[in-house]
Amino acid sequence: QQQVKQSPQSLIVQKGGISIINCAYENTAFDYFPWYQQFPGKGPALLIAIRPDVSEKKEGRFTISFNKSAKQFSLHIMDSQPGDSATYFCAARTEAAGNKLTFGGGTRVLVKP
Amino acid sequence: EPEVTQTPSHQVTQMGQEVILRCVPISNHLYFYWYRQILGQKVEFLVSFYNNEISEKSEIFDDQFSVERPDGSNFTLKIRSTKLEDSAMYFCASTGQGTSGPQHFGDGTRLSIL
Repeated sequence: QQQVKQSPQSLIVQKGGISIINCAYENTAFDYFPWYQQFPGKGPALLIAIRPDVSEKKEGRFTISFNKSAKQFSLHIMDSQPGDSATYFCAARTEAAGNKLTFGGGTRVLVKP
Repeated sequence: EPEVTQTPSHQVTQMGQEVILRCVPISNHLYFYWYRQILGQKVEFLVSFYNNEISEKSEIFDDQFSVERPDGSNFTLKIRSTKLEDSAMYFCASTGQGTSGPQHFGDGTRLSIL
């Protein structure tokens, strides 16, 4: 019930291409869905987040698409750059449950020049 | 930009020994968290802390674990008697805008149990 499933585990994309990472959840009480970017040796850094009353949110080259009925959300990285090479984690949270984050398994993205 | 600071960056400890991981959350934040990440696996919630008490804890956070805010700036995670399976990256996080604010993570402490 509490799991967040993330796919793919890894992704290779050419510079300028689009990276797409998908997540699915079961718990309909989740009310906040952030994406975190993690570089080796660093902690997760908040990239972009969405709430379920919005179907899409865009910040620069990063877009979250949210499908409430399907209980799925995805991250699109447009015009991918080598500097985007990192591990990306989706997460979900229920504010009523004390704000703990439930993370997906992560996607390692490699952008080839 | 304010940061969450964790020390040490790497801790090597013999099995059965006690270890204390330290965190300095962002100064005006009130909600604090510990997560861990076993190598190659996802980030897992351990415990949340607010107003000098635990708000929520996971099944991982058993009697061997404890948290404390000993002063106005530090937030610590203690593992009383370490086991091999405690080897992981431990991340501290904090949030300031109530429980609905984004969580800011430190760069973690790599704990290696020998």
